[in-house]
Amino acid sequence: AQSVTQPDIHITVSEGASLELRCNYSYGATPYLFWYVQSPGQGLQLLLKYFSGDTLVQGIKGFEAEFKRSQSSFNLRKPSVHWSDAAEYFCAVGSFFQKLVFGTGTRLLVSP
Amino acid sequence: GAGVSQSPSNKVTEKGKDVELRCDPISGHTALYWYRQSLGQGLEFLIYFQGNSAPDKSGLPSDRFSAERTGGSVSTLTIQRTQQEDSAVYLCASGKETQYFGPGTRLLVL
Repeated sequence: AQSVTQPDIHITVSEGASLELRCNYSYGATPYLFWYVQSPGQGLQLLLKYFSGDTLVQGIKGFEAEFKRSQSSFNLRKPSVHWSDAAEYFCAVGSFFQKLVFGTGTRLLVSP
Repeated sequence: GAGVSQSPSNKVTEKGKDVELRCDPISGHTALYWYRQSLGQGLEFLIYFQGNSAPDKSGLPSDRFSAERTGGSVSTLTIQRTQQEDSAVYLCASGKETQYFGPGTRLLVL
């Protein structure tokens, strides 16, 4: 069965500190992997995506993620967090013209 | 260019009433998806349209839910005889390998 696990429900990071959000997936075929961000009352904004090729992908707002097939992981990272990064982050897995399966999300809090 | 748009932004209705939610996908996108986001269930797939193919309705939670897509563009999600558990944010997305989401419709059933 297809599934995505985001083990951290909440994470608090100090402004300027580095961030890593964890994502593990289970998918029968070659996965397409995504990270989306959702601010309160907003829709989902695409941060980055992985289809194939280079396993380290760059996204918007200074985010990057690394695909590790052996670990079935696609962790999101940012070297220095800004207060405006506070939001909920969703990892998702899918394929071409297929529904997305989402994780339960990680809420990021940024402390001054 | 313009992104995915949804209307209304918010909808409050009484239990038992029917509601219609609208989605305008990005121009040229043949694939359109509906998802539901609720506190207890997270983000759930509802239904998927791709061109002229039969829609994938496998995520619809009950026969009270239906959707159509006219002319390969605009889609309407209809919920009949709404129940309180239908309260959620209904998100529409369009795209091929990448799905781009609209702002959602927040539905509250009293």
